[in-house]
Amino acid sequence: DTAVSQTPKYLVTQMGNDKSIKCEQNLGHDTMYWYKQDSKKFLKIMFSYNNKELIINETVPNRFSPKSPDKAHLNLHINSLELGDSAVYFCASSQLGMGTYNEQFFGPGTRLTVL
Amino acid sequence: DAKTTQPNSMESNEEEPVHLPCNHSTISGTDYIHWYRQLPSQGPEYVIHGLTSNVNNRMASLAIAEDRKSSTLILHRATLRDAAVYYCIPLYAAGGTSYGKLTFGQGTILTVHP
Repeated sequence: DTAVSQTPKYLVTQMGNDKSIKCEQNLGHDTMYWYKQDSKKFLKIMFSYNNKELIINETVPNRFSPKSPDKAHLNLHINSLELGDSAVYFCASSQLGMGTYNEQFFGPGTRLTVL
Repeated sequence: DAKTTQPNSMESNEEEPVHLPCNHSTISGTDYIHWYRQLPSQGPEYVIHGLTSNVNNRMASLAIAEDRKSSTLILHRATLRDAAVYYCIPLYAAGGTSYGKLTFGQGTILTVHP
């Protein structure tokens, strides 16, 4: 059983298009995250949801809109894709709260290429 | 966020121990030190974490300096599968206002030679 899964694994699209990446976790965690890893391999957090509520929103363009329909899912929709959006996007999940140590489990990543 | 400094790269031979250092001189008293690693073409994975005492688990050991300004991740017998980028990340483990946000630095690229 895959703990954190993402679809699609690869996404190639043209500039200006709108696309979505889906993430699901079957660990029963209450918190999910989106991270972006650029071409220089820097990993940076974008968003986090705790119990379907947005708790972290880094400086990310408005073209990126996360949606959490339930605790097990966190999707990322990107409007008007730009060349600079090309990156690998990782979803992660963890259980926050006192008494936990917030081990984060990452998905396999979605490689987005914008042409 | 506490700033961390790690060597850009390190090399080891298979079956030998590896000591990966990290400086985190501005760490807060409530931050745990977490280590993650990223194998090629995979998402990061948790390795170990600690607060003040040295810690061991099945993957590695973590030695934390008495003043907590530095730590060392120890792989007791490196294997080819340990070749990865290793990140040390100070984090308030219980969530708090950081809400579990992992702030990745540049990490250390570990190369393991057969």
